[in-house]
Amino acid sequence: AQSVSQHNHHVILSEAASLELGCNYSYGGTVNLFWYVQYPGQHLQLLLKYFSGDPLVKGIKGFEAEFIKSKFSFNLRKPSVQWSDTAEYFCAVKGSGNTGKLIFGQGTTLQVKP
Amino acid sequence: DTGVSQDPRHKITKRGQNVTFRCDPISEHNRLYWYRQTLGQGPEFLTYFQNEAQLEKSRLLSDRFSAERPKGSFSTLEIQRTEQGDSAMYLCASSQNTAGGPGGTQYFGPGTRLTVL
Repeated sequence: AQSVSQHNHHVILSEAASLELGCNYSYGGTVNLFWYVQYPGQHLQLLLKYFSGDPLVKGIKGFEAEFIKSKFSFNLRKPSVQWSDTAEYFCAVKGSGNTGKLIFGQGTTLQVKP
Repeated sequence: DTGVSQDPRHKITKRGQNVTFRCDPISEHNRLYWYRQTLGQGPEFLTYFQNEAQLEKSRLLSDRFSAERPKGSFSTLEIQRTEQGDSAMYLCASSQNTAGGPGGTQYFGPGTRLTVL
């Protein structure tokens, strides 16, 4: 079955700490991968995406993610978090064909202490 | 603001009643998606449209659920005979898909929070 697993449900960091959120997926075939973020009281918005090419992708607000095909992983990283990064983060996958269906992980809540 | 809009933002209903939600996508987007999100979980796919055609439906979409996009613009999601288990946030997203392409980025609306008493 197609699925996405996010290892950490709740992460608490101090400002300036480095962040890595794990994401593994199970999907038979070529995939497109996404990280979405939901700030308190706001819509889901796209942080970054991987379709093809360089497996290290850069997104908004200093975030990046690396696609490791052999590990079925797409971990999100940021070298130095800020209080404003406090949010819920969702990893998602879809097949690289014409399907529109996104499969989301259960999310990771990040709390950054000032 | 030209983002995805949803109406109403909140809906409280009694078990057994019917409810209908509306989604207005970003105007030039040809694809429209519905998801459902419960507390502590990521969004779960329900269905999506390309223009007015409903291309895929999840098994989560029981026969009490129906979605339409009659003119390829806005969409409605109706839940008949609501149950307490239907309480959730219903999210709409839209994207612009080109033929043969991988599908554009999905932009999400604010959601409609449904509470079934």
